[in-house]
Amino acid sequence: GENVEQHPSTLSVQEGDSAVIKCTYSDSASNYFPWYKQELGKGPQLIIDIRSNVGEKKDQRIAVTLNKTAKHFSLHITETQPEDSAVYFCAASPLDSSASKIIFGSGTRLSIRP
Amino acid sequence: DTGVSQDPRHKITKRGQNVTFRCDPISEHNRLYWYRQTLGQGPEFLTYFQNEAQLEKSRLLSDRFSAERPKGSFSTLEIQRTEQGDSAMYLCASSLGVSFPPPAQYFGPGTRLTVL
Repeated sequence: GENVEQHPSTLSVQEGDSAVIKCTYSDSASNYFPWYKQELGKGPQLIIDIRSNVGEKKDQRIAVTLNKTAKHFSLHITETQPEDSAVYFCAASPLDSSASKIIFGSGTRLSIRP
Repeated sequence: DTGVSQDPRHKITKRGQNVTFRCDPISEHNRLYWYRQTLGQGPEFLTYFQNEAQLEKSRLLSDRFSAERPKGSFSTLEIQRTEQGDSAMYLCASSLGVSFPPPAQYFGPGTRLTVL
């Protein structure tokens, strides 16, 4: 089945700098890659997603890139702000599931230093 | 609509007791998912409903777990004879659409279960 690996597990950046989180997946048939942000005591919040027919997608300060050949995808946050501090999860949706279930990475705890 | 809601938000129980959680999805979302999240890990898929039909179950869902979505709206997840290993955050998500392309899933705030 699908396996998603995420790096780094923790990341600390200076406010205003950029943050990059990288993920790899194992199932070449996966075709949907969402990113979630989870704050303490809350459920995961969808922040951006990308589908396999697109190589890059941007939404304000957030961008995702997808390399299907290498089976990896990345989240880029520019001009980081204190409210960006949270745990970020990458995920992949394998085609072999009729449920379109999501397989999550283990998360990256992002801290923004003032 | 304010999104997916879950009740209760926290539940503390003693080992061996039964617990039931409720999830109300976003209105008109035909798909409803249950996930479990342990500390420091990403959510893990448990089961999924399309309308009232339960179509997929993970092997993580032992026979002590049962989920229902009787009218295709809200869902309940029951754990019988709870064990300490059941302590986790139980998350519900909902989505609208068909299998391809996969629809976006929106999560609720979760129910944190502590089994003493």
